[in-house]
Amino acid sequence: AQSVTQLDSQVPVFEEAPVELRCNYSSSVSVYLFWYVQYPNQGLQLLLKYLSGSTLVESINGFEAEFNKSQTSFHLRKPSVHISDTAEYFCAVTPIAGGGNKLTFGTGTQLKVEL
Amino acid sequence: GAGVSQTPSNKVTEKGKYVELRCDPISGHTALYWYRQSLGQGPEFLIYFQGTGAADDSGLPNDRFFAVRPEGSVSTLKIQRTERGDSAVYLCASSSSSPGELFFGEGSRLTVL
Repeated sequence: AQSVTQLDSQVPVFEEAPVELRCNYSSSVSVYLFWYVQYPNQGLQLLLKYLSGSTLVESINGFEAEFNKSQTSFHLRKPSVHISDTAEYFCAVTPIAGGGNKLTFGTGTQLKVEL
Repeated sequence: GAGVSQTPSNKVTEKGKYVELRCDPISGHTALYWYRQSLGQGPEFLIYFQGTGAADDSGLPNDRFFAVRPEGSVSTLKIQRTERGDSAVYLCASSSSSPGELFFGEGSRLTVL
């Protein structure tokens, strides 16, 4: 079984400041890792994913996440946030083999960007 | 293009009643998932279908919950004898073959009074 821990339930930050949303996971098997985002009044959507290769992955809107196998972490970062980044962010994992795309989610981090 | 559609968007019912929640996935997606999200929690897996068959229903909490996908497209989640603890947002997602890339609907918010 897998579990995902997002210790920060809320992260307030001023616009143009950097931000890091933390994610740690536990699994007895190798996993793929994901960040999903839920903007106000919208459905969950995939932000970025780590499947293999370079441990640093990027999204089209400036977020990046780094897979650290030794620390079982997949923290999400952005060097300068914008008001439009206000949303809830969920970290998720699925087993590489036999997972059937069944995602295990963390409890989410609410990012609130203020002027 | 059409995304994943869920109806109703809101459902208020009384304890003990039966409810059905419908999901219309993205055309051509063979895999369909149901999740439940309670307040302050992340989405929790319930069941997933590959085609018409339930490939994994290990997340269904008890036998009051049942889901079908008779023609391999639209799916219905059925909840019998609803309880107040069933109140949550029920999310549906569909997927093609890309690992972990699920396309979610906006959810059906169920409130059991």
